[in-house]
Amino acid sequence: QKEVEQDPGPLSVPEGAIVSLNCTYSNSAFQYFMWYRQYSRKGPELLMYTYSSGNKEDGRFTAQVDKSSKYISLFIRDSQPSDSATYLCASSGWAALIFGKGTTLSVSS
Amino acid sequence: DAGVTQSPTHLIKTRGQQVTLRCSPISGHKSVSWYQQVLGQGPQFIFQYYEKEERGRGNFPDRFSARQFPNYSSELNVNALLLGDSALYLCASSLGYEGRNYEQYFGPGTRLTVT
Repeated sequence: QKEVEQDPGPLSVPEGAIVSLNCTYSNSAFQYFMWYRQYSRKGPELLMYTYSSGNKEDGRFTAQVDKSSKYISLFIRDSQPSDSATYLCASSGWAALIFGKGTTLSVSS
Repeated sequence: DAGVTQSPTHLIKTRGQQVTLRCSPISGHKSVSWYQQVLGQGPQFIFQYYEKEERGRGNFPDRFSARQFPNYSSELNVNALLLGDSALYLCASSLGYEGRNYEQYFGPGTRLTVT
């Protein structure tokens, strides 16, 4: 079992839809949780960072961490065509940031 | 402020050659991490350095080495290149390695092609 599992998609939604992206992780020692957005052939861009569990909101983005079920979620409200990218979840308890494979999202206008 | 910078942007090497990739962290950041990303996969951890000391190493062969300089910039070296080393090499910087200081910001990457 990989330490961080993420459905690669692809996920296609119409503009304005609410998008839900999810990951699971296996190591209960993980305490840092991040979501990155990566456009084709570019470096990942940090969207959300959560330390320990709970919710965090930033504009149209909400990140949730449920440590009891080892479940990480990212919600995107009012999705825009510019949100079309690959979304990577990542978790860590120490030096190494462990990434999922990424979910490819396409938002059509 | 400038973000994380990496050089070169692209690189083409032949099998068996050696390559050096460079990274400059965000000003004030003392930790640099290196990741390898092959097409269709998430980044995979190679090294983390903090204050010039290695703090972690991923499951990569000894052909991979790195160092951090007093100005916190870093180099990643790969010897005896294999075709499988073709990937996007990413550098990430952070203030530190605990709590809020752990937020990692990535550079644009160096795309290495081994022929």
